[in-house]
Amino acid sequence: AQRVTQPEKLLSVFKGAPVELKCNYSYSGSPELFWYVQYSRQRLQLLLRHISRESIKGFTADLNKGETSFHLKKPFAQEEDSAMYYCALSSTRGTASKLTFGTGTRLQVTL
Amino acid sequence: NAGVTQTPKFQVLKTGQSMTLQCAQDMNHEYMSWYRQDPGMGLRLIHYSVGAGITDQGEVPNGYNVSRSTTEDFPLRLLSAAPSQTSVYFCASSPTGTGRNSPLHFGNGTRLTVT
Repeated sequence: AQRVTQPEKLLSVFKGAPVELKCNYSYSGSPELFWYVQYSRQRLQLLLRHISRESIKGFTADLNKGETSFHLKKPFAQEEDSAMYYCALSSTRGTASKLTFGTGTRLQVTL
Repeated sequence: NAGVTQTPKFQVLKTGQSMTLQCAQDMNHEYMSWYRQDPGMGLRLIHYSVGAGITDQGEVPNGYNVSRSTTEDFPLRLLSAAPSQTSVYFCASSPTGTGRNSPLHFGNGTRLTVT
């Protein structure tokens, strides 16, 4: 069965400091991984997906199959980055299609 | 475009009562799903549907029923509410499944309290 682990419940950093939100996964197939974000009073939304290798709002995430990790990084944190971040793993088998979320990490950026 | 609409936003039930959480999307998405969000446990999949007439169980299906008679609607039914079902419920949809080209679109959530 697939599993997503986010070891930190809360990550507090100063504005301008680097950010790394950790995500490890367990999956027997070829993983498809995502980061979702929930800002205060907003609905959960996609931040980025590993397949596109994009940088969104300054965030990047690299899939490391050897370490089974998909950590989210940003070189300089901004106040508006404060939010709840969820790592998610997609699994598809036949008609079954599921997205499994980690427990989430709350990022708090302080002045 | 309204996207994914959930009603009600808040609900208080007594133990044993039944109710239906509504979810509708206007994006012609084939895939719809229900999650519950609990502190320290993240989002857990309750049920999902890959198209009208097709539903399947997720990680925590007990105590919940679903049906998908139309592409647009995916209601979640609590047959006999229990305090353990106190949670925030999210409905989400996507064009097809949960793969790389099909990210989930979420509703605003329903906060349910069972006393």
